[in-house]
This record gives sequence, C-alpha cells and structure tokens, in this order.
Amino acid sequence: EVQLLESGGGLVQPGGSLRLSCAASGFSFRDYAMSWVRQAPGKGLEWVSAISGSGSDTYYADSVKGRFTISRDNSRNTLYVQMNSLRAEDTAVYYCAKFSTWYRLDYWGQGTPVTVSS
Amino acid sequence: EIVLTQSPATLSLSPGERATLSCRASQSVNSYLTWYQQKPGQAPRLLIYDASKRATGIPARFSGSGSGTDFTLTISSLEPEDFAVYYCQQRSNWPLTFGGGTKVEI
Repeated sequence: EVQLLESGGGLVQPGGSLRLSCAASGFSFRDYAMSWVRQAPGKGLEWVSAISGSGSDTYYADSVKGRFTISRDNSRNTLYVQMNSLRAEDTAVYYCAKFSTWYRLDYWGQGTPVTVSS
Repeated sequence: EIVLTQSPATLSLSPGERATLSCRASQSVNSYLTWYQQKPGQAPRLLIYDASKRATGIPARFSGSGSGTDFTLTISSLEPEDFAVYYCQQRSNWPLTFGGGTKVEI
C-alpha cells in the first residue's frame, strides 16, 4: 500500500524558513517523480514544485521560484522542500504527491499545515 | 502557462441526478487532462486521467470526455458520497496547473 506521510509544518514568522519532509513507502520511491501541492485556507489547489525520480530535474511554480528548493533522498525514501523567505501568502496545507507518469498525481499524503504569521 | 477554467463554480443537485462539470484549457493539452475529487478535510483523490480513463477503484458512474481544450466530467447518478469539490489538472506543459474547482453540493 502506497503511503505518503508529510511532517515539518507549523507556525513561522514572515521571512522565516521551514523544511517539510514526506516519508514514502509501498512503492519503489526512486522510480517515480514526486511533487508538492499546496492549498490555502478555503482555496483551490496550487502546484508548488516537482522533482524527477533521480533528483536531476526540478520544476517550480513562479510564486516560489528562488525561495523554495525541492530535493529527495532515495536512500531514505524521503522527499523534502526547503522553504525560505516565507510570506503570509505561503500559508497553506502542503501536500506531498506521487506522479504516476509525468502527467498525473496518483497518490497524495494527508498534508501538513504551514502558517506564516507574526 | 496553461489556464484551466472550470464551470460552474457550484453545482446544486440531488442524489440520483446527473452532474456535468466542464474544464476548458487556454490552449490544447491534447488528452493530458486529469480530474480529482476532494472532500472536506481530505487530500485529493485521482478520479480520471488521460481525459477519459478511470483510475483504479473509481466507480463506473464517473466518466470523462474531451480532448484539446474542452473537457467534461460526468457523474451519471449522484451518490451521497459524491458531493465534493472536483478539480481538473494538466501537465501537457510546465507549470502543472489546476482549475479553480467545481463544488457539487446537495
């Protein structure tokens, strides 16, 4: 059974940093691209970032480019996102998701909430 | 960036009725269009991929159609558990984008 378990969310001040983790199990982690998707309170889904199975290719939404860094440790079956220079508009539930192919996300974690506020 | 426009924003229906949801892309996404269902407090769930293929375990009352720029998700007869928000998504090009969602309410 595929499981994705996010952690690392919490309250952070504007301008601060946070690193989210996603522990994956139930599939061959290194063989699949992964993604972060966020959802602000009461809003829709917003794609944040994606990374290839090897980690060699990364992609970012314009809204986070230069501030967020996606990475993965295939030896630990874990996906990360380092979030720097956080803003109030980054407040959201952050979901980790697995790509089935590069076109669709077939499994999602339950999300970890991030609140950026003073 | 490919913009996905979903309509209507809200669909008010009764159990047993047919639901028709629309997703329009600002440029062609070929058939690389995916639909998700999200219930309150839950993560999204994959419903339909490649415009018309049901994901594993998805009931046959859910169907998808379309290609290019116009896509439709149809729920043939609404069950109580189908009242949720539905999102379309494309990854024909980067960035991956989602539509704004359609809420199907009782």
